[in-house]
Amino acid sequence: ELKVEQNPLFLSMQEGKNYTIYCNYSTTSDRLYWYRQDPGKSLESLFVLLSNGAVKQEGRLMASLDTKARLSTLHITAAVHDLSATYFCAVQTLQNQAGTALIFGKGTTLSVSS
Amino acid sequence: NAGVMQNPRHLVRRRGQEARLRCSPMKGHSHVYWYRQLPEEGLKFMVYLQKENIIDESGMPKERFSAEFPKEGPSILRIQQVVRGDSAAYFCASSPYSGTTVIRNEQFFGPGTRLTVL
Repeated sequence: ELKVEQNPLFLSMQEGKNYTIYCNYSTTSDRLYWYRQDPGKSLESLFVLLSNGAVKQEGRLMASLDTKARLSTLHITAAVHDLSATYFCAVQTLQNQAGTALIFGKGTTLSVSS
Repeated sequence: NAGVMQNPRHLVRRRGQEARLRCSPMKGHSHVYWYRQLPEEGLKFMVYLQKENIIDESGMPKERFSAEFPKEGPSILRIQQVVRGDSAAYFCASSPYSGTTVIRNEQFFGPGTRLTVL
């Protein structure tokens, strides 16, 4: 059974400092996603990582994937208040060329303070 | 270019009533997924459907829950005889399909239906 673990689950950040969220998964996966969710809202897709060594960056967020270690990281550079939200990683294994379910981590809730 | 649409956005039911949640996928998408998010938790997969077919229902509770995706119209997630533990946010996602090969599998999420059972 594919399991996804995120840590930390809560992260209190100071503005301007750097932080990293970790996402470990238990079995081979084809794709890894990062989503952002604001309170009471839906999920916003941030990154899709497809291959070992993949690195994607958008603004202050950078995601990377190490398939051998079964680990993805989401790095936050110089945190700002706008980044306060819950971040989920999700893993997908493709079977028979058909889409399959996403398996989500429990999420990491970020809170940025001045 | 409308995204995934879900209605209602908020639904209140008393214990024992039925809840019907609707999901219209993005235009051109024929794969629909339903997920449930309990308070302070991540999303849990429930069911995966294509038009007129249930492909994977391994995440669906054995009783009271059912899903369909008819040839015409939205996908429906139906919960019979709701209990307080069914209170959650229910998200639908869709992904595209082309011919016999899924060209992309990225799932696009709707705004969710927040179900409250009194």
